[in-house]
Amino acid sequence: EAGVTQSPTHLIKTRGQQATLRCSPISGHTSVYWYQQALGLGLQFLLWYDEGEERNRGNFPPRFSGRQFPNYSSELNVNALELEDSALYLCAERGPGYNEQFFGPGTRLTVL
Amino acid sequence: AQSVTQLDSHVSVSEGTPVLLRCNYSSSYSPSLFWYVQHPNKGLQLLLKYTSAATLVKGINGFEAEFKKSETSFHLTKPSAHMSDAAEYFCVVTQVASGNTGKLIFGQGTTLQVKP
Repeated sequence: EAGVTQSPTHLIKTRGQQATLRCSPISGHTSVYWYQQALGLGLQFLLWYDEGEERNRGNFPPRFSGRQFPNYSSELNVNALELEDSALYLCAERGPGYNEQFFGPGTRLTVL
Repeated sequence: AQSVTQLDSHVSVSEGTPVLLRCNYSSSYSPSLFWYVQHPNKGLQLLLKYTSAATLVKGINGFEAEFKKSETSFHLTKPSAHMSDAAEYFCVVTQVASGNTGKLIFGQGTTLQVKP
């Protein structure tokens, strides 16, 4: 069974543009989490979606937003891109043990 | 509030020698603790987890970790390093409490270098 998938693998945008990143959990898994891994800042929690609703949000500005679709796949949107948004964006789903999370390969976003 | 401190940003060992990656945590509630590994340009892979059962936890690839509440530590060990163990390792905490299952708190990471 395939794990969490993310697309695209790489994304290059210019400052001020919008970026859309996609994530698909294993079929039937309802929770999706987004994290940002920026150079020098480590891994930071962005958003958590479950059953189509935003359940928790990290300390990020409102231009970071997302949604979860009826099939539980998810989109992360970043508006008005800034240079410091360049990072690896990781999506994860909740594991069967309830607390652990399993990660996708990530989307590398580069803002020029 | 929860936090994780990885005591070494970089650890270098020779192949075949033991590995010790140190992690201290802070949590107001009963924590769940994890170690994840990230190989270059890859996502995160779960190595092992502690969720209040046995304090000595065995994971994949020969790694294990011991939960010590009195020391608030969760150090990762492996008896004999392999070249393929070279990667970034993250100690992670989340709290076991209703309504707070969304967020993993990551340490800053430890880069493990394995020399031939």
